[in-house]
Amino acid sequence: QSALTQPASVSGSPGQSITISCTGTSSDVGGYNYVSWYQQHPGKAPKLMIYDVSNRPSGVSNRFSGSKSGNTASLTISGLQAEDEADYYCSSYTSSSTIYVFGTGTKVTVL
Amino acid sequence: EVQLVESGGGLVQPGRSLRLSCAASGFTFDDYAMHWVRQAPGKGLEWVSGISWNSGSIGYADSVKGRFTISRDNAKNSLYLQMNSLRAEDTALYYCAKSKRGIYSSSPFDYWGQGTLVTVSS
Repeated sequence: QSALTQPASVSGSPGQSITISCTGTSSDVGGYNYVSWYQQHPGKAPKLMIYDVSNRPSGVSNRFSGSKSGNTASLTISGLQAEDEADYYCSSYTSSSTIYVFGTGTKVTVL
Repeated sequence: EVQLVESGGGLVQPGRSLRLSCAASGFTFDDYAMHWVRQAPGKGLEWVSGISWNSGSIGYADSVKGRFTISRDNAKNSLYLQMNSLRAEDTALYYCAKSKRGIYSSSPFDYWGQGTLVTVSS
């Protein structure tokens, strides 16, 4: 099971919106509405930001939103803030024997 | 407040064994599935194993199948990972993660511990 494909880095200025893509196959992202997104600051544990494609856990800012089209899921961060600078990973349920697959990770830089 | 505290990591020689533990608190442990996720130094996340609330369903990544065994003790609010035949490529920070649902499949990881480091080297 190969990792889902994410851009290595995305950057934006404070206040701008950015979008991170997560491309898989019909066996994972495209086949199920079980895509999650995690934020990880350096030296910290990951934090769930979006689950089931577009749902936000309690306490997560509504500046974070998720969507999916075909085999590609996306995370959009609007009103970019300095605290959003972190690594972001997507994850999907997969029909393979390894039932979860993560993305390659995207480093978000706030300029 | 949900807390997950991993322990048991350390330096181990290739081919040897190690047992990781995760102590959970702040939620009804036996209502939720649990997982182990690892992260090699400077690398991305990799799901390792998951177990349903009642241990009735268990899954493993292909990379650890046949070598690692996940288990839980609901009476002790604890999750375990028995790791045998360790390899250099198993070197990573191992996170304990709580599932958002009782089933271990198709469920996101909504809380994570701080991890325990496993280093496999001679």
